Amino acid sequence: EAGVAQSPRYKIIEKRQSVAFWCNPISGHATLYWYQQILGQGPKLLIQFQNNGVVDDSQLPKDRFSAERLKGVDSTLKIQPAKLEDSAVYLCASTRDVAFYEQYFGPGTRLTVT
Amino acid sequence: SQELEQSPQSLIVQEGKNLTINCTSSKTLYGLYWYKQKYGEGLIFLMMLQKGGEEKSHEKITAKLDEKKQQSSLHITASQPSHAGIYLCGADSGTYKYIFGTGTRLKVLA
Repeated sequence: EAGVAQSPRYKIIEKRQSVAFWCNPISGHATLYWYQQILGQGPKLLIQFQNNGVVDDSQLPKDRFSAERLKGVDSTLKIQPAKLEDSAVYLCASTRDVAFYEQYFGPGTRLTVT
Repeated sequence: SQELEQSPQSLIVQEGKNLTINCTSSKTLYGLYWYKQKYGEGLIFLMMLQKGGEEKSHEKITAKLDEKKQQSSLHITASQPSHAGIYLCGADSGTYKYIFGTGTRLKVLA
C-alpha cells in the first residue's frame, strides 16, 4: 500500500509570509496527526483528526496555525504569518483508528523561515 | 504533564558493538513505543511495549519495559551501519495523546 504522502518536501519563506503543507494519509486511515519537530527535539503533536473532526489541538498556536481535513481524507496545515521559530520539520502521520498505536509517518516538510 | 527523557542524547559506536538507549517517563507508562528516524525522513515504528517486564525483539533490536512501567531500554546487538539514525521513544500520555522523547542520535562506524 502507498505510504503517507507530504508536499512540499522543502520550503523556504521569509518571516511574516504564509505557507501551507499538504498531507495524504494511507487509504482508509481514520486518524491523522500533524507534528512539529524542531531540530534536536522529538516531534510535538500539533493537531489530531479523527475522520474530519478535531480530537486534540491543544498545542496548536491558533493565532497563526490552522489545519483542516476536508472529507476526512487529505489534510492541510497552514501558517500565517510565519515566525523564525516556526522553522522545523512538519510531520504528518496516520493510523487506522485512534486506538491503533502504530503510526505511519510521511517524510515530512522541512520549513526554513528567514 | 508527562515527559519522556532519553539517554544518551547521542552515541557513536564501532560496528559490531552492543549498545543501550534508555527512556525514562515522569509518570507511569500505559504504552511505550520505539521509533527510528533516518536523517531527513519520517519515523518508522519498531515496537510497542505495554506490560511491566515485557520484552520484544525486532531483528537485532530488543526493547524492555521495566516492572514499574516508568522506564524502557532499547538494546542493539552487534550494531551495523544500517542501525544509524535517531531512536525515539513515544508514549500515550492519556486518552490517545501522544508524546515523544527528545531522541538519541546513533552513529555506527564501519
